[in-house]
Amino acid sequence: DAGVTQSPTHLIKTRGQQVTLRCSPKSGHDTVSWYQQALGQGPQFIFQYYEEEERQRGNFPDRFSGHQFPNYSSELNVNALLLGDSALYLCASSLGVGPQHFGDGTRLSIL
Amino acid sequence: AQSVAQPEDQVNVAEGNPLTVKCTYSVSGNPYLFWYVQYPNRGLQFLLKYITGDNLVKGSYGFEAEFNKSQTSFHLKKPSALVSDSALYFCAVRDITEGGANNLFFGTGTRLTVIP
Repeated sequence: DAGVTQSPTHLIKTRGQQVTLRCSPKSGHDTVSWYQQALGQGPQFIFQYYEEEERQRGNFPDRFSGHQFPNYSSELNVNALLLGDSALYLCASSLGVGPQHFGDGTRLSIL
Repeated sequence: AQSVAQPEDQVNVAEGNPLTVKCTYSVSGNPYLFWYVQYPNRGLQFLLKYITGDNLVKGSYGFEAEFNKSQTSFHLKKPSALVSDSALYFCAVRDITEGGANNLFFGTGTRLTVIP
């Protein structure tokens, strides 16, 4: 039974570029959340998708956007990258409001 | 608003000794509390949760946590530490506002080092 999978594992971008990160939820899960974990910090909630719609959003600018597909997989898009966007981006899935299961993350570095 | 605080950035304990990682929380209603562990270059692994019921919650890998409503604490414990327990531990509280999703608010983490 595959858990939450994220791609790519690592990514290097330059300021001003755009990036797309991908997440496949654990089998049987229908809800996907995205978190940003800066170095030395705890994860911070970006947004959550359920039934292909954004259900809730944390305190992140509109440069951060997402999408959920009919197969429950999800993408996180970040436009106009800033140096401060360098972080580990974590995807978590759950069945409804059950416990969240996390992937290993995508390490994004901005040069 | 919900928040958690982990007052210790670093906890060191000798192998075989009991360990405690501290967490206090702030919520407007009843708390849903969680502990996760993170190993280097990995995501977060779920250890245990408190929703309701017994104040002592048992979780994975021999860990347990004690919920104390009067002290608004949810400390993580293990009777006998292993070197392999060395990792970063996060306490989290769930947003339970009406209509809210199940997103989590995390503490800043506590690095546990078990000394052989």
